[in-house]
Amino acid sequence: GQQLNQSPQSMFIQEGEDVSMNCTSSSIFNTWLWYKQDPGEGPVLLIALYKAGELTSNGRLTAQFGITRKDSFLNISASIPSDVGIYFCAGPLSGGGADGLTFGKGTHLIIQP
Amino acid sequence: NAGVTQTPKFQVLKTGQSMTLQCAQDMNHNSMYWYRQDPGMGLRLIYYSASEGTTDKGEVPNGYNVSRLNKREFSLRLESAAPSQTSVYFCASSPVRASTDTQYFGPGTRLTVL
Repeated sequence: GQQLNQSPQSMFIQEGEDVSMNCTSSSIFNTWLWYKQDPGEGPVLLIALYKAGELTSNGRLTAQFGITRKDSFLNISASIPSDVGIYFCAGPLSGGGADGLTFGKGTHLIIQP
Repeated sequence: NAGVTQTPKFQVLKTGQSMTLQCAQDMNHNSMYWYRQDPGMGLRLIYYSASEGTTDKGEVPNGYNVSRLNKREFSLRLESAAPSQTSVYFCASSPVRASTDTQYFGPGTRLTVL
């Protein structure tokens, strides 16, 4: 089946630093999604990408849809304490007509005071 | 606006017991989904429903059944719980499709099977 590989698995940074994480796929995706999950909550959509090469921002977050359609990147600028959480990339499950998403294992962002 | 609600929030079962997880959305969405999340893992799709009266298997459907009771409600049933089903279960909904519309998640049900 499809596999999404996220890296890094976890990041320990200081407040104010910029963050970069990425996701690669074993197959081509037509959509890339980035979600954030706070402790004890369900994931929340941050950014959706629908076109190869697309660069989209949401406040301090910027995500890119890789040209090969097999990767995507998420950057967070000037991190703040509320950025702490788990960031997941996701894409459509394959299989003609099937719905639902497949998720990476997540990047755990920890901000040190 | 409650969004997606799930009950119960926590549940402990013994092996072999059955239970139903409830999910409801008040956004008039057509599609609803059940995912499970295991420690250190991303979410994996169990079942989904594209419309009232239809359901389809996802990546990990074995050991589960679902019912799309009406447009608002989508339940997940474990007929004979096993320790391997210990997980956090998330319900989600989308206006039409998860890949083209925002998918909204509930707060999760934390299930432990002893």
